[in-house]
Amino acid sequence: QSVLTQSPSASGTPGQRVTISCSGSNSNIGSNYVYWYQQLPGTAPQLVIYTNNQRPSGVPDRFSGSKSGTSASLAISGLRSEDEADYYCATWDDSLSGWVFGGGTKLTVL
Amino acid sequence: EVQLVESGGGLVQPGGSLRLSCAASGFTLSSYWMSWVRQAPGKGLEWVANIKQDGSEKHFVDSVKGRFTISRDNAKNSLYLQMNSLRAEDTAVYYCVRDQGNPPIPFDHWGQGTLVIVSS
Repeated sequence: QSVLTQSPSASGTPGQRVTISCSGSNSNIGSNYVYWYQQLPGTAPQLVIYTNNQRPSGVPDRFSGSKSGTSASLAISGLRSEDEADYYCATWDDSLSGWVFGGGTKLTVL
Repeated sequence: EVQLVESGGGLVQPGGSLRLSCAASGFTLSSYWMSWVRQAPGKGLEWVANIKQDGSEKHFVDSVKGRFTISRDNAKNSLYLQMNSLRAEDTAVYYCVRDQGNPPIPFDHWGQGTLVIVSS
């Protein structure tokens, strides 16, 4: 059972916009920045969003992040086949004094 | 180019020990917190432990407290994870991950991972 809650799966067709949500509590998302990671099959995760809504260089502007209260979301617009991957949210938890990840959302591009 | 290369994984019996190493290059290790993150087969990511730039502060996930130790040698550009009293549930790919520095962006670089299998 992960501290941060994500839906196990999401899907969309090419060109669509999909949103992946991440729910936490006051001690984690409510108090700290949220980060998002993409894990393509058989590879290590890579950062796609930092400090709630910033994109690292090289990440397409189709990826965007937002946070409100104790929840955060990752949106991917103009969905492409290469976006098919597992996506994880993460943040620091003040009560646990450690980093926590969501359980991950498997995105399928139909 | 930032590179993180893990080594030391393998098959170990329950109750045994293993030491993972991570060789860092392409950045100044002493400027960053460093973490270990693991992923059990077919499962999600789980942060395991991190260590401050000078080694003065460390944090661990509850499930490994008292069993795992994290350390670093900035002069050797290396990060370590000593794992004792290993259990079947510790079976996972262990990633060496750059944690916060300047700018404070956690987990912006990951190693390729090393597989630890705990089984008799």
